[in-house]
Amino acid sequence: AQSVTQLGSHVSVSEGALVLLRCNYSSSVPPYLFWYVQYPNQGLQLLLKYTSAATLVKGINGFEAEFKKSETSFHLTKPSAHMSDAAEYFCAVKTGSSASKIIFGSGTRLSIRP
Amino acid sequence: DSGVTQTPKHLITATGQRVTLRCSPRSGDLSVYWYQQSLDQGLQFLIQYYNGEERAKGNILERFSAQQFPDLHSELNLSSLELGDSALYFCASSVASGGAQETQYFGPGTRLLVL
Repeated sequence: AQSVTQLGSHVSVSEGALVLLRCNYSSSVPPYLFWYVQYPNQGLQLLLKYTSAATLVKGINGFEAEFKKSETSFHLTKPSAHMSDAAEYFCAVKTGSSASKIIFGSGTRLSIRP
Repeated sequence: DSGVTQTPKHLITATGQRVTLRCSPRSGDLSVYWYQQSLDQGLQFLIQYYNGEERAKGNILERFSAQQFPDLHSELNLSSLELGDSALYFCASSVASGGAQETQYFGPGTRLLVL
């Protein structure tokens, strides 16, 4: 069965610092991986997705993620945090065997300190 | 704005009641998905409809049902409501039948509170 694990339910960084949100996946077949962001009182917005092309995926708002098969990881990074990045971030997986449904991680709340 | 609309935004009701949540997908999208987000269960897939037919089923309770109409909008019906059904219900849509590479676009959600 597929699953994702997000390490750290809450991450706090200073404005301008590196953002690193961790995600590890479990899948018996090649996965398709996603990062979604949820701003307060809003729906989920797709940040980026990995679909077996380039292992380094660039998304919106300066975020990027690297697919590392050997580590079964898909960590999300941003070189310099901005106050507007404060939100909840969800890592998610889809595979060919259950292509329709997205399996979400438990989420990581990102706080930005001035 | 994803282009997916959901109504109502908020819903307050009592235990034992029945409610209907509505979703309109992005223009041209054929699939609609329903998800439940609660504090204890996180984000869970409930059900998918593709072009009017049920396509995939997740952790949907028997008290819940959904349908997709010819104009492709969808409704999620929740009946015999319990306190534990209080959650944020999201609708998402995608362009086709839900292949692995397809992106799902999420609506703003309906917040349900059962008292």
